[in-house]
Amino acid sequence: AQTVTQSQPEMSVQEAETVTLSCTYDTSENNYYLFWYKQPPSRQMILVIRQEAYKQQNATENRFSVNFQKAAKSFSLKISDSQLGDTAMYFCAFMKQNTGNQFYFGTGTSLTVIP
Amino acid sequence: DTEVTQTPKHLVMGMTNKKSLKCEQHMGHRAMYWYKQKAKKPPELMFVYSYEKLSINESVPSRFSPECPNSSLLNLHLHALQPEDSALYLCASSQGASGGIYEQYFGPGTRLTVT
Repeated sequence: AQTVTQSQPEMSVQEAETVTLSCTYDTSENNYYLFWYKQPPSRQMILVIRQEAYKQQNATENRFSVNFQKAAKSFSLKISDSQLGDTAMYFCAFMKQNTGNQFYFGTGTSLTVIP
Repeated sequence: DTEVTQTPKHLVMGMTNKKSLKCEQHMGHRAMYWYKQKAKKPPELMFVYSYEKLSINESVPSRFSPECPNSSLLNLHLHALQPEDSALYLCASSQGASGGIYEQYFGPGTRLTVT
């Protein structure tokens, strides 16, 4: 079974600052995908960013970027210029290729952006 | 606006009631999912439908019964639930269920309370 670990249950960051959320995973697969999802309080879960394991280049989406270290099985999320709307639970997710799209979620990191 | 809709938003039911949760997606996706989520926990996969066929059925109690009338609709029938079944029930959809990257798109959820 795949395991996904988010070692920071809670984090906080000052508005406009940068924060990094960590995620590690355990797998024997070579082809897989990684995702970060955001779930604001009482709102729906949305995809923030995704990374294909075969790509060496780190994914970037506006203020969100990842640091993907395949050998270390690490997939951290960096949020630049943090905004109040970034306050949310962040879940890291792992998906094997050709497995019927079963996601393995981490336990989540609760991020609070402080004005 | 979400492209995965769920009704109702909130549901309170007694342990002897029968109710149904509904989910609809308008993105032409061929895979749909039901998750159960407790507060500040990651979603737990309950069922996966791929091309209208149940392809993953985790060890979910029989008091939960999924139904997929067509590729756009997904129901979850509830009967004789227990108070510990109180949770947020999330529906998700993805383009397919094998091969490629098929990130999942989540609905806003149904907040279920069993009394």
